[in-house]
Amino acid sequence: KNQVEQSPQSLIILEGKNCTLQCNYTVSPFSNLRWYKQDTGRGPVSLTIMTFSENTKSNGRYTATLDADTKQSSLHITASQLSDSASYICVVSGVTDKLIFGTGTRLQVFP
Amino acid sequence: NAGVTQTPKFQVLKTGQSMTLQCAQDMNHNSMYWYRQDPGMGLRLIYYSASEGTTDKGEVPNGYNVSRLNKREFSLRLESAAPSQTSVYFCASTETGGILQPQHFGDGTRLSIL
Repeated sequence: KNQVEQSPQSLIILEGKNCTLQCNYTVSPFSNLRWYKQDTGRGPVSLTIMTFSENTKSNGRYTATLDADTKQSSLHITASQLSDSASYICVVSGVTDKLIFGTGTRLQVFP
Repeated sequence: NAGVTQTPKFQVLKTGQSMTLQCAQDMNHNSMYWYRQDPGMGLRLIYYSASEGTTDKGEVPNGYNVSRLNKREFSLRLESAAPSQTSVYFCASTETGGILQPQHFGDGTRLSIL
């Protein structure tokens, strides 16, 4: 069964610290992997999209990595800010373009 | 830049009532989608429209109908609401012509069925 699992479910860090969120998937065949940021009460916003040939992609302080062999991805946030408090959703697409969403990691950044 | 606009933002219905959720995008996108988001679950696709005039079922279409009114608008209708349809509903759109296009989401409609 095609699944996307994220860890941890929730995370609390202090402002200025770095953190890494994990995503494991079993989607096959694989087309691309996306990370979205969802603020409370808002819709998801795209951060990165990577194909199987890309190992890393950055968007400002957000850096996503992908290991298509082990079916793992991570999202690294550098020098966290209060505005980074949100849920981060990993989404995997197979060749049919169907998107399979993870349940997200809820990040809270405290001053 | 409005992007994807959903109305209403909140709604409370009684079991058996009907209602239509509205969605409009101003990005000239061909494809539009309706998702539901429930606690502890990833977003699930209800229906999608690859282009004006076409609609297809997604993962959880039962109890819903959709209409692609024109290129901008894609509505979701609950004919006879049930408590199991209590959820947050998101509309999204994307440009076709490549599998690496991001989906742009509205801010959701929070629907409670009593």
